[in-house]
Amino acid sequence: AQSVTQPDIHITVSEGASLELRCNYSYGATPYLFWYVQSPGQGLQLLLKYFSGDTLVQGIKGFEAEFKRSQSSFNLRKPSVHWSDAAEYFCVLSEGASKIIFGSGTRLSIRP
Amino acid sequence: NAGVMQNPRHLVRRRGQEARLRCSPMKGHSHVYWYRQLPEEGLKFMVYLQKENIIDESGMPKERFSAEFPKEGPSILRIQQVVRGDSAAYFCASSPPGLQNTGELFFGEGSRLTVL
Repeated sequence: AQSVTQPDIHITVSEGASLELRCNYSYGATPYLFWYVQSPGQGLQLLLKYFSGDTLVQGIKGFEAEFKRSQSSFNLRKPSVHWSDAAEYFCVLSEGASKIIFGSGTRLSIRP
Repeated sequence: NAGVMQNPRHLVRRRGQEARLRCSPMKGHSHVYWYRQLPEEGLKFMVYLQKENIIDESGMPKERFSAEFPKEGPSILRIQQVVRGDSAAYFCASSPPGLQNTGELFFGEGSRLTVL
């Protein structure tokens, strides 16, 4: 069955440090993959998406993610985090409109 | 504003009352999804609708909850006889029709229900 796993519930990094949020999926083919961010009290905003082609995708706010088929992973990265990046991050897999699977989310805290 | 519009943003109800949450999808979008988020928890899928049809309601509680997306007007999530456990943020998302639909969702800002 299709699934999305975000193994880290909560991560704290220092401002200016690099960041990697992990996402692993289970799916028979190449899925559509997304990362969304939810700032406190807000809705979700799309950071980036992968459909096919180049396995390194660039998103907004300086984020990028790399699709690795061999590892069934789609980890989110940022070279230098800012205090405003403190938020909840969701990895999402879909195979179209009727099958959208959310990971449980990773809460990112930033240490001053 | 061409985004997904949800109202009210905040709603307070007493136990036993009804709550109605509305969602207007982005222009041109014909798919609407409702999610519930309890405090400090992730998003839980509730229901997926297209115009005048419920496609998947596997996440909806069997009682007291209903959803519709009429031909005209916004999608409505209705909670009857609310209980304290219904206190949560309810998010609506929309997506475009047909082959354009990859599962990318466009979210509203949410409606926060508090049951006293």
